[in-house]
This record gives sequence, structure tokens and C-alpha cells, in this order.
Amino acid sequence: GAVVSQHPSWVICKSGTSVKIECRSLDFQATTMFWYRQFPKQSLMLMATSNEGSKATYEQGVEKDKFLINHASLTLSTLTVTSAHPEDSSFYICSATPRQLAKNIQYFGAGTRLSVL
Amino acid sequence: SQQGEEDPQALSIQEGENATMNCSYKTSINNLQWYRQNSGRGLVHLILIRSNEREKHSGRLRVTLDTSKKSSSLLITASRAADTASYFCATVTDSSYKLIFGSGTRLLVRP
Repeated sequence: GAVVSQHPSWVICKSGTSVKIECRSLDFQATTMFWYRQFPKQSLMLMATSNEGSKATYEQGVEKDKFLINHASLTLSTLTVTSAHPEDSSFYICSATPRQLAKNIQYFGAGTRLSVL
Repeated sequence: SQQGEEDPQALSIQEGENATMNCSYKTSINNLQWYRQNSGRGLVHLILIRSNEREKHSGRLRVTLDTSKKSSSLLITASRAADTASYFCATVTDSSYKLIFGSGTRLLVRP
């Protein structure tokens, strides 16, 4: 149980286009979803915290107009990278905390590798 | 921002040996967790230790926590080639459930 699906796993796009990444909790309702960014051989940096039905809370230094987060239901959150540029190329990972289970543990998606040409 | 550092940054051992990774953090915590990440994949939760606990075991994993030194260690006993991965500690400091990750240790277990 506690499976998080992230789609797509890999996307290549042209500079200036927007890319949407989906994060779904498949077998549980997610109270909160988190979005992280990870550069090669580095740690995960929290970008934003997303609660269902409310606006996302962004970490300091993360542009909310650049990284649009929507958490429309208890099982789906989306991250849209708007007007992507090569410096946005990275590995993006989502996670979710279940409503019913231990909230301290996060369940992670497999990640999305974004390459902006 | 990262909560703390892990050492070593990289560790290479022979199959069957034990692997020890250390994590230091900066602020008071609610709990500390260890996660594993296979290359290019998401993270998998390994173990959680609360701030009032000192040691916890799960299979071949042993985690210690020293809140006075703001440090934790993860011991993997009798390592296997399949244990090859990056290991991250992460702290939760308040009720927001946000995880703040350490810098990670890349473990290579040679068959």
C-alpha cells in the first residue's frame, strides 16, 4: 500500500514551453503533497507544500509564478513549470503524506527528469 | 535549505561488511528519518526515530539518535550488493511534517 505515481518519468521540452507533472496517490488519500527538486548527486530541496483545496506554500527562493502547483483533489497534485528554460532542467520528485496512516512518513513518486533544450 | 550534513559523502565496502553513515543536524527536531534512493528514482522510507528515542532496529538496520550532539547514525549490517544506493537522513522539526534532508551518502557495496 501507500503508492505514489508520478508522470511523466522523463520529459524533454523546448525553451519557453510549459511542462506539467502529475503526482497521484493511488491507494490512499493524501492530506499533503510535497514537491522537491534534486540536482545530480545532490540532496532533495523542498520547493513547496501543497494541501488539498488550498494554495501551496512555497519555500524561500522558489518562484510561485514559475512553478505552479495545483492540489485539486485528495489524490492528485500537479506541478507546472511555466516558460521553462535550460536552468530548470532537473529531477523533480513529489511525495505525499496519507490522511489515514502515519503522517510523519512521506511516500515518494519515482521522479520526473526534465530536460529543457 | 538543508538541515545538515552526512558523512561520509561516499562509501565503498565489500559485500558482507557493515556500513555506517552519520548525519548531523542543526535545530531541535520532532523526529529523524532515513530514506534510501536508488539511482534516478524516488525515495523509500527506511526507518523513523523520535526525538525521545535513542536507538531503533529494523531488520539489518540500526539507527541511533543523540539529541545532545544533534546527530544520528545508520548502520547496515551484513551488506548486500542490492544495498547499493544513496541514503539520506531527514528531520521533521514541527507539526508541518516538512522533511529537511541531509546531503546524503552514496553507498557502493561490491559483490
